[in-house]
Formats: sequence, structure tokens, C-alpha cells
Amino acid sequence: DTGVSQDPRHKITKRGQNVTFRCDPISEHNRLYWYRQTLGQGPEFLTYFQNEAQLEKSRLLSDRFSAERPKGSFSTLEIQRTEQGDSAMYLCASSFSQGHSYEQYFGPGTRLTVT
Amino acid sequence: LAKTTQPISMDSYEGQEVNITCSHNNIATNDYITWYQQFPSQGPRFIIQGYKTKVTNEVASLFIPADRKSSTLSLPRVSLSDTAVYYCLVGDKGGATNKLIFGTGTLLAVQP
Repeated sequence: DTGVSQDPRHKITKRGQNVTFRCDPISEHNRLYWYRQTLGQGPEFLTYFQNEAQLEKSRLLSDRFSAERPKGSFSTLEIQRTEQGDSAMYLCASSFSQGHSYEQYFGPGTRLTVT
Repeated sequence: LAKTTQPISMDSYEGQEVNITCSHNNIATNDYITWYQQFPSQGPRFIIQGYKTKVTNEVASLFIPADRKSSTLSLPRVSLSDTAVYYCLVGDKGGATNKLIFGTGTLLAVQP
């Protein structure tokens, strides 16, 4: 197993455009998480899936953000009508966890720059 | 929301023991406390996890008092390669327990 992968690694887009990121978790993991991290800050929780069900969304995830995990495998995070404030590293993590354990394995992230 | 605070930075020398504390005043009742290490331009890497008292693995120990409002990550005999940012992660008691809060992060600088 090669770990969590994310694509693309870098994305530059103009304000107002839509972007989509993909995350492929470790194959047997049932949970998948999305975070956003800006320079000098800790990761901020965005959303969380258990299998294909989206169980929680942060208030940070405005109507312009949407995430899916069809069939409980890979996940996509879409940002519509991007704004300069969306510039950040978007991190995906997965885990094979039960209950309230959060031993997560992170991907390398997708760095988004909105110009 | 849970507020998790850590010292901004710590300095140490090779071979010393380092203790980093995280305060989490509103941790979800049933959630574990998890610690991560992050190097520049990489995703965080899992170090250790615990619910209460003390947990030890091959790289670190985690001390959690009975009230679980704080936790201390202990790194024995640090080396230069341990220079990184360290984060605690807890679940938020105020909302759904699946809403996760990373601490403010502690930059550990290890000198020779």
C-alpha cells in the first residue's frame, strides 16, 4: 500500500473559477477526512466521511464547498467560485477506526493558490 | 468550541527529553487525544494516541491527567531530525463529537 494520495499537488486558479481535488485513501480505511491549513496555522477540520456517509461538516465549509465519497472509496472536494481567501493547503487523511479513535494517515496535500 | 492551546515554540538540545503540553478545556467525553508531527510541506504524521493515564510506544509517551483537560507529549532523547511542529488533536464537546480540533502547534527546534 502506498499510503494516502492526493491530486493535484499544486493548483493555481483565477478568482471565480471552480476547482476539484481528489483524495485516494489507504484501501481498507473506512474513514476519510478533509482539512484546510494556512501558513503557520494548524489544520482546520472541514468534513468527515465514514464509508460513503458524510457525517460532519464544519462551519468553515461554506455553500461553495462540497465533498463526496462515492462508494466509500476515493473522495473529491470541490470549491466553487473560488476566492483569494481559499488559498491554502488542503489535506486529506484516512483511518481504519472505530468509535472515538483518531489515528489518521495524511496525504501530502494539495496547495491551492487563487490569483 | 473546544479551545486547544500549546506553547508556540520550544528549544532543546540533542539527547534531552522534551515535554510538550496541550490544554484542551472542552474535550469530548469519549474522544481520544492524538498527537501529530509535521515537517514543512508535508502532511501531519501520527505519533501517539491515548484516552487517560499514560501511553508509551517506541517513539514517545503521552501523559493524560484524570480530568483530561490537558495532555503532555514526552519525546525521550531528541535528535536533530525531531525538529518539527507538533500538534495535539481532540474532539469538540460543544458540538458533534466528530468535529475535530487541532491545537495551535508547537515548533520544536533541536540544536546540536
